[in-house]
Amino acid sequence: QQQVKQSPQSLIVQKGGISIINCAYENTAFDYFPWYQQFPGKGPALLIAIRPDVSEKKEGRFTISFNKSAKQFSLHIMDSQPGDSATYFCAASTPGAGSYQLTFGKGTKLSVIP
Amino acid sequence: DVKVTQSSRYLVKRTGEKVFLECVQDMDHENMFWYRQDPGLGLRLIYFSYDVKMKEKGDIPEGYSVSREKKERFSLILESASTNQTSMYLCASSFGWGYGYTFGSGTRLTVV
Repeated sequence: QQQVKQSPQSLIVQKGGISIINCAYENTAFDYFPWYQQFPGKGPALLIAIRPDVSEKKEGRFTISFNKSAKQFSLHIMDSQPGDSATYFCAASTPGAGSYQLTFGKGTKLSVIP
Repeated sequence: DVKVTQSSRYLVKRTGEKVFLECVQDMDHENMFWYRQDPGLGLRLIYFSYDVKMKEKGDIPEGYSVSREKKERFSLILESASTNQTSMYLCASSFGWGYGYTFGSGTRLTVV
């Protein structure tokens, strides 16, 4: 059972446009929601993360919007650039020590065209 | 910055071989993870460990085992490699909940 559903699978955006990637989850115990960025030939890298006590978090051109009641969160990339072309993964985890682990979405391949 | 180092970028192995994938992290992280990444399937958790000598199965542990004898090192073992284990393997480590993961660059394994 996929616990984090990510869409779209691929996305093409013009340079300067807004890229939007959406994720939905089912497990209400999730309380940490990171986004990862992966360039070809590299491992994913943490981009930005949010906890459910806030509805939005912004870091530069990247913004996470979080809707707890709808169990959805999204990544917005403002003024998208060709250098943003990568695969993006959303993820979620439950709290607590011990067996902490992230559940990942299946990824979105973003292409920003000049 | 935390560094997670995977010993090989590319490996080609024969069916039936025993394969070892090594991962070392340099930041004293408690948690370490092995994922495989396949097109259209995203990142799937094979095994993870939250302490030395501790291990837990992830979503797809069949055909794999792991070893964590030292805190900084987490090894993935393919007991008898098969062609359906051809994949990109990613190791990650984390301090704990809320800190995210740091991934290695991956090992692309081809089993022929």
